[in-house]
Amino acid sequence: DTAVSQTPKYLVTQMGNDKSIKCEQNLGHDTMYWYKQDSKKFLKIMFSYNNKELIINETVPNRFSPKSPDKAHLNLHINSLELGDSAVYFCASSQVLAGAQETQYFGPGTRLLVL
Amino acid sequence: AQSVSQHNHHVILSEAASLELGCNYSYGGTVNLFWYVQYPGQHLQLLLKYFSGDPLVKGIKGFEAEFIKSKFSFNLRKPSVQWSDTAEYFCAVIPYSSASKIIFGSGTRLSIRP
Repeated sequence: DTAVSQTPKYLVTQMGNDKSIKCEQNLGHDTMYWYKQDSKKFLKIMFSYNNKELIINETVPNRFSPKSPDKAHLNLHINSLELGDSAVYFCASSQVLAGAQETQYFGPGTRLLVL
Repeated sequence: AQSVSQHNHHVILSEAASLELGCNYSYGGTVNLFWYVQYPGQHLQLLLKYFSGDPLVKGIKGFEAEFIKSKFSFNLRKPSVQWSDTAEYFCAVIPYSSASKIIFGSGTRLSIRP
């Protein structure tokens, strides 16, 4: 069984389009994340949700809007896609216990290419 | 600001060589420490983690790491690497004061010559 799943795996689109990436975890975790990994493999956190509430919002253009319908899902919607948005986007989840974060588990990634 | 440093950006070794990848962090309090591996074209997978207890931690695939608190280090080691260890390795830290924010190093690319 896949613990953290993302769809789609690949996404090729034109500049200016709007697209969404979906993430689901079946680990029962209460915290979910979106990361962006650029071509140099640098991982940057974008957002974090705990029990459907936004708790981390790094310096990300407001064209990016996360949505968490329930604590097992965290979707990422991107408006007006730009060339610089091309990257691999990873979803992750973890459990916060006694105020401390446990291990993060990552999804397989969504490879976004903006033409 | 809290940060994680991986000084080796690209390491090239021959099969059967010993490996040590450096990781240092800047945070004076309690931390949880992790090493993740990313094989080509794949997602991040947990290699090992340290939360407390024995500072020498053993992970999957023969990897181990040692937490040295006085040096703020958590170096990854493997006595004999294989070609299949070719991957990107990320060190990560969660400061205990931060319930949610994990800080990743910039990664070390490991290339193994067959």
